[in-house]
Order: sequence, then C-alpha cells, then structure tokens
Amino acid sequence: DAGVTQSPTHLIKTRGQQVTLRCSPKSGHDTVSWYQQALGQGPQFIFQYYEEEERQRGNFPDRFSGHQFPNYSSELNVNALLLGDSALYLCASSTTGGAYEQYFGPGTRLTVT
Amino acid sequence: SQQGEEDPQALSIQEGENATMNCSYKTSINNLQWYRQNSGRGLVHLILIRSNEREKHSGRLRVTLDTSKKSSSLLITASRAADTASYFCATGPGGSNYKLTFGKGTLLTVNP
Repeated sequence: DAGVTQSPTHLIKTRGQQVTLRCSPKSGHDTVSWYQQALGQGPQFIFQYYEEEERQRGNFPDRFSGHQFPNYSSELNVNALLLGDSALYLCASSTTGGAYEQYFGPGTRLTVT
Repeated sequence: SQQGEEDPQALSIQEGENATMNCSYKTSINNLQWYRQNSGRGLVHLILIRSNEREKHSGRLRVTLDTSKKSSSLLITASRAADTASYFCATGPGGSNYKLTFGKGTLLTVNP
C-alpha cells in the first residue's frame, strides 16, 4: 500500500522564480493538505484541497496556490519566490472530511537563493 | 499562529529511561494528536486523543489530556535510541476546521 509521495525531494530556486511541488495521496484518501515547515519550527497549514476545491486556507499570501486533480493528486505552486519561502513543504492526505489522522509524505526541501 | 506549545524544547535521556513531553494549547479542541519527525523528514502519526478522553495508550506511549488546564502530556516508556526525534502536538481538526495546528516541538535525544 503506497503511502503519500512527494516530488521532488530537494529543489533550489532563485528569488523571483516560480516553483511547483507535487503530491500523491495515500491509496484510498481523497483529501490533501499542504504545510510549510521552517527550520526549527512546527508545520504551518497552507491549505487543504477536497473535491478539487480549496476548502480551507491558512495565513499565506496569494503567491501560494494549489490544485487538486481528479485522481486526488495535488500541486502546490509558489510564485515570486522570496528567501523566506525556504522551508520543508509537507503534503498530508486523509479520508473524506479531512478529519482526524493525516498521513504525511517525506516532504520537499525548497531552498531559495 | 501556533496553537500548541511543547515543553521542554529539548530533552536528553539515557536508553531505558522514560521521557515525558508536555503540550499546552489555547482554545477549545475536538482532539489532540502527537506526531514524530525524524531528522526533518515527514511526520509520523503516533496517537490521537479526543476531547472527551483523559488517557490513551499505544504500546510504549501514554497520552493524557486535561481540557480544564488545556494541556496534554506524552510519556514514552523504556526509551530506545531509535526514539530520538522531534515530537509535536497538534490540535484539531474538527467541525468546519480541517487543519492541524502544531506547536514548535520537543527534540528528544536518547543516548545509548
């Protein structure tokens, strides 16, 4: 049973560029959430996708956008990258309703130079 | 903003000893969860305790919840070197709130 997968593992971008991160949820899960984790901090909720719609959003600017596909996989897009966007980006999946346990992927380490 | 705050920020113990980590939160909750993270990788769900529960066990883990004090504790008994990791408490989700709100975590080091 495949768990949550994310790609790429690591990414280095320059300020002002755009980046797309990808996530495939655990088999049987239809809800995907994205979190940003800065070094030494706990994960911060970016948004959640369910039925291809953004259902809830955290305190992140519009530069952060996402998409969910019919197969439940998801993308996180970040435009006009800032140095402060350097972080570990975590994808989590869950079953309908997004309640209770969320299963996390290994993350994508983004470095903005 | 972070809902949960773990205490201590770092804990170093010897193998075989017990480790206790505490978490405090600010608002009412539906449930509280504990996660483990090894070396900046993905988080692993450890245990969930609902707001109407006071104590829960899973293997070597024991979690307590005191909603009157808005606090929870995670006890790891007979610790092993492999338990070395960061431990996070997270509140939610529930109702129309679908997100997990994490604290800053406790870094546990178990020395062999």
